[in-house]
Amino acid sequence: AQSVTQLGSHVSVSEGALVLLRCNYSSSVPPYLFWYVQYPNQGLQLLLKYTTGATLVKGINGFEAEFKKSETSFHLTKPSAHMSDAAEYFCAVITASGNTPLVFGKGTRLSVIA
Amino acid sequence: DTEVTQTPKHLVMGMTNKKSLKCEQHMGHRAMYWYKQKAKKPPELMFVYSYEKLSINESVPSRFSPECPNSSLLNLHLHALQPEDSALYLCASSQDYRLGEQYFGPGTRLTVT
Repeated sequence: AQSVTQLGSHVSVSEGALVLLRCNYSSSVPPYLFWYVQYPNQGLQLLLKYTTGATLVKGINGFEAEFKKSETSFHLTKPSAHMSDAAEYFCAVITASGNTPLVFGKGTRLSVIA
Repeated sequence: DTEVTQTPKHLVMGMTNKKSLKCEQHMGHRAMYWYKQKAKKPPELMFVYSYEKLSINESVPSRFSPECPNSSLLNLHLHALQPEDSALYLCASSQDYRLGEQYFGPGTRLTVT
């Protein structure tokens, strides 16, 4: 069974600082990987996705993530945090073969300090 | 357009009431999902419809009854709920079941009194 581990349930950064949210996956077959963001009392919004091809994926709101097969990682980064980035972030995975449903990590709450 | 709409936004119901949650998408997606999300937790999959047929029921109690009237609509009928069923209920859709990204609606905040 595949799983997703998000290191750190809560990350706090200063406004303008680098944002790094960590995600590691376990999958015996090639994965499709996703990052979602959830603002308070809202649904999940797709930030970016990795399916095949380029391993550095750019998403919305200035976020990007890099798929590293050797490290089984898909960390989310943003060069400069903005107050509006404060939210809950979920990493999720499905297998490329499509034989498992979407599996979410436990989430990381990002706080941005002025 | 990647919008999934859900109504109502908020719902308060007693344990003896019957109510329904509605979800709609016009992206031509053939898979639709219901999730339950408790505070500070990731979404938990409840049901999956693929090509208007129920594909997955994740051992959800029978007081939750899904319905897919057509490829654009998904309902969740609620009856005799318990206070522990209070949660955010999210609808999602994707191009195909288990492949491709899922797009989520804004959710219905359900409170059972």
